[in-house]
Order: sequence, then structure tokens, then C-alpha cells
Amino acid sequence: KAGVTQTPRYLIKTRGQQVTLSCSPISGHRSVSWYQQTPGQGLQFLFEYFSETQRNKGNFPGRFSGRQFSNSRSEMNVSTLELGDSALYLCASSSPGPPYTQYFGPGTRLTVL
Amino acid sequence: AQSVSQHNHHVILSEAASLELGCNYSYGGTVNLFWYVQYPGQHLQLLLKYFSGDPLVKGIKGFEAEFIKSKFSFNLRKPSVQWSDTAEYFCAVIPRGSLGNEKLTFGTGTRLTIIP
Repeated sequence: KAGVTQTPRYLIKTRGQQVTLSCSPISGHRSVSWYQQTPGQGLQFLFEYFSETQRNKGNFPGRFSGRQFSNSRSEMNVSTLELGDSALYLCASSSPGPPYTQYFGPGTRLTVL
Repeated sequence: AQSVSQHNHHVILSEAASLELGCNYSYGGTVNLFWYVQYPGQHLQLLLKYFSGDPLVKGIKGFEAEFIKSKFSFNLRKPSVQWSDTAEYFCAVIPRGSLGNEKLTFGTGTRLTIIP
């Protein structure tokens, strides 16, 4: 079974631009979560989607948004990029039904100049 | 809200040494516990997990962890490490009985360096 895939793997943007990251979950997984990983803050939860609905949200500004499509694929958007948004953005899909286990993709490395 | 503490930020060991990485969590209810590993240049991989039953769980690559409820701990162990175990290790917790919408809360990670 194919794992979680994320595109693109690397992105370089400048301050003020916006960016969209994509995640395809493991087949059969309907829940997708997004995390930001930085050396200073570690792994922080952004949001979680299930059946095209955001069910949970972390403590990030409104510049960070996401959505999920009917095929469970998810996108994350960051508008008005800041230098501090440079990070590895990880997507995880959860196995259906309890106990829920999250499986991670390779991440998108975003660099903001 | 739950929290996770990993007190060892960087551990350096020689090959064949025994390993124990500490993980303590804070949460008022029951939890599911995980250890993830991130090898250099690779993505987070699930090493092992505890949901219920035997508190000693075995994972991949010879790793094991013991859940001690009274100590709110879930320490990771390996009797004899190899150079290939060099990686960053993350402990994570999620409330049990969730509807699947709960977030994984991670510790800050422990960087493990194995000297050949």
C-alpha cells in the first residue's frame, strides 16, 4: 500500500507570497492532519480534516488554512508568508477507526526568503 | 490539554551500548502512546505504539517501550544500539477514546548519535 505523499518536496518563496502544499493520504484513510516542524518549536499541530470538514485546529494564525477534497486529498495554504514560516510541513493520515494511528509523509520543506 | 516531556535532548552512545530514552506525559485521562523515529533526511516513521494490554510493547528494529501508568512514563529501550540507529526520536501522546480528531502531541525529541 502506498504511503502518504506530499508535493512539492521543496519550495522557496519570498515574504508576502502565498503557498499551497498538497497531501495524498494512504488509500482508505479519511483523516488528514497537518503539522509544522521547526528546530525551535518542534512538531506543532496545525489542523485535522475528515470528510472535507475541519474537525480540529491548532494555535496558528488565520494565514494558515486548509481544505480536504472528496477523495480525501488535502491542501494547506499559507498566505502572506513571513520568514518565520520557514519549516518542514508534515501531513499525516490516520487509520480508520480506533485505535487511530497517524502515518506521516516525507514533508514539504518551505523556505521563505 | 496533554503535554509530553523528553528530558534527554542529545544522547551519544557507542555501538553495542544499551539505550533508554525517557518520555513523560501529562494528561488527566487515558492515552495512547507512540514513539516515532526520524532518520537523517527521512520522514517520521512509527517505531511502536501502546494502546492497551501488556504495558511492554515491542516495535521495529529491536526497540521496545514500557508504559508505567503510575509514573506517566513511556520510556524507549534497546539493549544494543547500532550506528544505523542514529536519528531523532519523538514520543507522542493522544487521548484515548477520541473520535479520531484529536491531535498528536509530541515531545521535543531526542537526538541520538551512535559512535561506531
